[in-house]
Amino acid sequence: KAGVTQTPRYLIKTRGQQVTLSCSPISGHRSVSWYQQTPGQGLQFLFEYFSETQRNKGNFPGRFSGRQFSNSRSEMNVSTLELGDSALYLCASQTSGGSDTQYFGPGTRLTVL
Amino acid sequence: QKEVEQDPGPLSVPEGAIVSLNCTYSNSAFQYFMWYRQYSRKGPELLMYTYSSGNKEDGRFTAQVDKSSKYISLFIRDSQPSDSATYLCAMKGAGNMLTFGGGTRLMVKP
Repeated sequence: KAGVTQTPRYLIKTRGQQVTLSCSPISGHRSVSWYQQTPGQGLQFLFEYFSETQRNKGNFPGRFSGRQFSNSRSEMNVSTLELGDSALYLCASQTSGGSDTQYFGPGTRLTVL
Repeated sequence: QKEVEQDPGPLSVPEGAIVSLNCTYSNSAFQYFMWYRQYSRKGPELLMYTYSSGNKEDGRFTAQVDKSSKYISLFIRDSQPSDSATYLCAMKGAGNMLTFGGGTRLMVKP
């Protein structure tokens, strides 16, 4: 089975721009979660989508948004980029929830200049 | 205070040593406990997953959970240079939001 894939792997943007990241979950997995990883804050939960609906949301500003498509693929968008948004953005998929665990993709490294 | 505390290290050991990695947590709602390994510039890779107090073994890895003390551990036997990575503990309650420790950087020297 193919793992979680994320595109692009690397991105460089400037302040004020917006960016869209994509995640394809493991086949058969319907839940997709997004995390931000920075050296200072570690791994922090952004949001989770299940069956095209946001099911959980972390403590991030509204500039961070996401969506999920009917094939379970997910995108996250960050608008009005700030320098502090530079991070590794990780996507994780799981079958549905509860006792299931999450499998991570390789991440998208975003650099904001 | 963070919900999950983990010593950042770095922890340096000789090849073949037994490694002990630990996390403490404060949220009694956490029911599921995981250990991930993350190599530099890669995504976290699931190593161990458990949801009950006690020990779980998988090859050279043993995960231990003590819910009464809110303490989890990962033991690595016969450590290898290829085990050099950052180890992240993670846990969740009824929802799907994982809460991570800050990670412990492990270096195994040949």
